Amino acid sequence: ETGVTQTPRHLVMGMTNKKSLKCEQHLGHNAMYWYKQSAKKPLELMFVYSLEERVENNSVPSRFSPECPNSSHLFLHLHTLQPEDSALYLCASSQDPGRGEKLFFGSGTQLSVL
Amino acid sequence: EDQVTQSPEALRLQEGESSSLNCSYTVSGLRGLFWYRQDPGKGPEFLFTLYSAGEEKEKERLKATLTKKESFLHITAPKPEDSATYLCAVQARNSGNTPLVFGKGTRLSVIA
Repeated sequence: ETGVTQTPRHLVMGMTNKKSLKCEQHLGHNAMYWYKQSAKKPLELMFVYSLEERVENNSVPSRFSPECPNSSHLFLHLHTLQPEDSALYLCASSQDPGRGEKLFFGSGTQLSVL
Repeated sequence: EDQVTQSPEALRLQEGESSSLNCSYTVSGLRGLFWYRQDPGKGPEFLFTLYSAGEEKEKERLKATLTKKESFLHITAPKPEDSATYLCAVQARNSGNTPLVFGKGTRLSVIA
């Protein structure tokens, strides 16, 4: 398997549920990212990990909790979400976060919060 | 603050009708400008990187150009399979670990 793989593709959850999004990259990259994509809005960067250390956190609410156990895997743990958190959550990877290199994206998880 | 504005928001073309998409940007020293294509239900797919004014890149029916204030994505004789949302993004030279700032995209529909 190649590229960036995200699971699940679709997720419906209640506001009191706890769920996790998973991302795996098979490209040998050192950096991984979580982005949020909402309708009519630009892609919003949530978290950046470089060599398994979090290097960027764009004031994301604490109900989103990232985890990067190794350079190939990235998780986004979700708890007590709000309906406005419904969006497409995209994982991406690159070789180095600071060198102007292209990002490789997964297909995303379409999240609906009821 | 780095900003990217794309226009138009949506564009509908007849097959074979050439046109251009615009990406205007404000950045404190450009490291790179990126074009991505996004199909419904999928993540963005990389198309081009441009690094300096005057640079041009081509791929099949697409050509990207760059000036000091904007970039254009020219689509020559488009086909229905070119229908997608096209995203523009920039990275500033002193952005640290923040990878890219994206625009809202242009949704292109090519009608047969």
